[in-house]
Amino acid sequence: AQSVAQPEDQVKVAEGNPLTVKCTYSVSGNPYLFWYVQYPNRGLQFLLKYITGDNLVKGSYGFEAEFNKSQTSFHLKKPSALVSDSALYFCANGTASKLTFGTGTRLQVTL
Amino acid sequence: DTAVSQTPKYLVTQMGNDKSIKCEQNLGHDTMYWYKQDSKKFLKIMFSYNNKELIINETVPNRFSPKSPDKAHLNLHINSLELGDSAVYFCASSQGTWLGYEQYFGPGTRLTVT
Repeated sequence: AQSVAQPEDQVKVAEGNPLTVKCTYSVSGNPYLFWYVQYPNRGLQFLLKYITGDNLVKGSYGFEAEFNKSQTSFHLKKPSALVSDSALYFCANGTASKLTFGTGTRLQVTL
Repeated sequence: DTAVSQTPKYLVTQMGNDKSIKCEQNLGHDTMYWYKQDSKKFLKIMFSYNNKELIINETVPNRFSPKSPDKAHLNLHINSLELGDSAVYFCASSQGTWLGYEQYFGPGTRLTVT
């Protein structure tokens, strides 16, 4: 069973507009949820994580994510997108002794 | 200083050959991983080591053999390379096996089998 799902292959947003990259999870118990970003020809970089506590998690580069237990979602957000945010974003869930990644969402921020 | 480094960055080889990829981390982490990213960017764990001990082996063919000489190094040897092995291989490390630790990734090794 898929642990995390990213329903959008691609998200396009204009620079300066807010952005949302969606992620839903399916796991019993308390999830360990992560967002990673991959720039072209680079390894993944950690952005933020939710383990417990405040549902709104703040991370690197102005990104934040909201853990919503009732909707089993962990959407990534940023109030004002930059062209330099264009990259591949992965949601991940720590379960069964390993990190399981979603299929990735390509974010394109245009001028 | 690079936190997680991999060599080589690119590897082009023919079917049937044997090749190795090396990984080193200078973060003092106890746990290291190998991931495979396919052409569709799907990322999947292959192996995990904690303090030189294998803890995860994800239904990977026996042609793939990881080796951890010490907790700062995790190498991947691949025998009898096949076309389907073409992918980007990422090494990663974390403080320990707790799933709440974030992982730090290397820059990747792009393997092309012809």
